[in-house]
Amino acid sequence: DSGVTQTPKHLITATGQRVTLRCSPRSGDLSVYWYQQSLDQGLQFLIQYYNGEERAKGNILERFSAQQFPDLHSELNLSSLELGDSALYFCASSAGDGSPAYEQYFGPGTRLTVT
Amino acid sequence: AQKITQTQPGMFVQEKEAVTLDCTYDTSDPSYGLFWYKQPSSGEMIFLIYQGSYDQQNATEGRYSLNFQKARKSANLVISASQLGDSAMYFCAMREGLELVFGQGTRLTINP
Repeated sequence: DSGVTQTPKHLITATGQRVTLRCSPRSGDLSVYWYQQSLDQGLQFLIQYYNGEERAKGNILERFSAQQFPDLHSELNLSSLELGDSALYFCASSAGDGSPAYEQYFGPGTRLTVT
Repeated sequence: AQKITQTQPGMFVQEKEAVTLDCTYDTSDPSYGLFWYKQPSSGEMIFLIYQGSYDQQNATEGRYSLNFQKARKSANLVISASQLGDSAMYFCAMREGLELVFGQGTRLTINP
């Protein structure tokens, strides 16, 4: 158990809908990262928050947004869903602000299926 | 260009043998970190080992060691005395700046 929690574990929804994925980091970790893992794209970094502020952006679509709240939990919002958004979404957390030395601990993931 | 390359899509190894999973990386940044993660069939990503670009010694964590050859830009994972529970996908990743970039992974199967 990494200490990172994600809810829900599974989510099935229809095209065009909007969903929210939730992540709670390990106790004491200030950074939260979101990743998407799909069969064709592999594991892709989406976005990082550090202590409530956006720190880095990767291959995140404009239909996707995220935020980190004062209690450090984070939410990833996916809107206007398409079939291609079906994937495993991971949240990870680390103690540091993003410098290379800090390992990231991953949550169990949320499997999103868009039908 | 690929930043992380894992050239072995799949590997089959007999139980108790040692196994080396290959990883090469590409960066011009002198400061970076290299990581290996294990993803079993249940889906979670498990952190295994970390190597910093300035570390002089190869990292070791139990049965895992990282064969870091900086000049060759390679960071191979060595698993000693493999076990059936080691069967999983293994991902090499590099942290340069703020982004963690993953390779495509190697599926390791341990045969009894």
